[in-house]
Amino acid sequence: ETGVTQSPTHLIKTRGQQVTLRCSSQSGHNTVSWYQQALGQGPQFIFQYYREEENGRGNFPPRFSGLQFPNYSSELNVNALELDDSALYLCASSRPLGGSLYGYTFGSGTRLTVV
Amino acid sequence: SQQGEEDPQALSIQEGENATMNCSYKTSINNLQWYRQNSGRGLVHLILIRSNEREKHSGRLRVTLDTSKKSSSLLITASRAADTASYFCATGLISDTDKLIFGTGTRLQVFP
Repeated sequence: ETGVTQSPTHLIKTRGQQVTLRCSSQSGHNTVSWYQQALGQGPQFIFQYYREEENGRGNFPPRFSGLQFPNYSSELNVNALELDDSALYLCASSRPLGGSLYGYTFGSGTRLTVV
Repeated sequence: SQQGEEDPQALSIQEGENATMNCSYKTSINNLQWYRQNSGRGLVHLILIRSNEREKHSGRLRVTLDTSKKSSSLLITASRAADTASYFCATGLISDTDKLIFGTGTRLQVFP
């Protein structure tokens, strides 16, 4: 059973650019959530995808968008990058409603630095 | 926004001692979960307690939940150097059970 894998592990982008982060969910998990973790803070919920549809969104602007594919993998896209977007981006997967019953499986994250 | 506040922010103990971390939250919850994070890497799920449960055990971990006080505690018994990490509580809300709201975390340092 494979866990959640994220790519790339590190990324440096320039302010104003666009970035795409990728996540492969754990086998058997069809729900994917994305979190942003600023340095020294707890993760903050960005959005969740279930059956290729957005299923809940946190307090993030529309320049944060996502996709989920038929194989349940997911992408997080961020347009018009700002310096404050520098953070660790975490992907988490679960079975449907499994997160509230059994918890989530997190990937190791993508460290994004915006300069 | 952060739902939970954790206390203490940092904790240093010797191997073999017990470590207790506390978490307070603001709104009604469906469940509360604890996660560990090593050196800014991914989170590892430790334990989940539902709102109708008061105590739960898993190996050296003991979690309590007091919904009247909107608080939870995580006890790690007989700590090991490998327990050194940041620990986060996260709540699943009644209104939105699939979204976790994390606390600010406790940094635990266990000295050999």
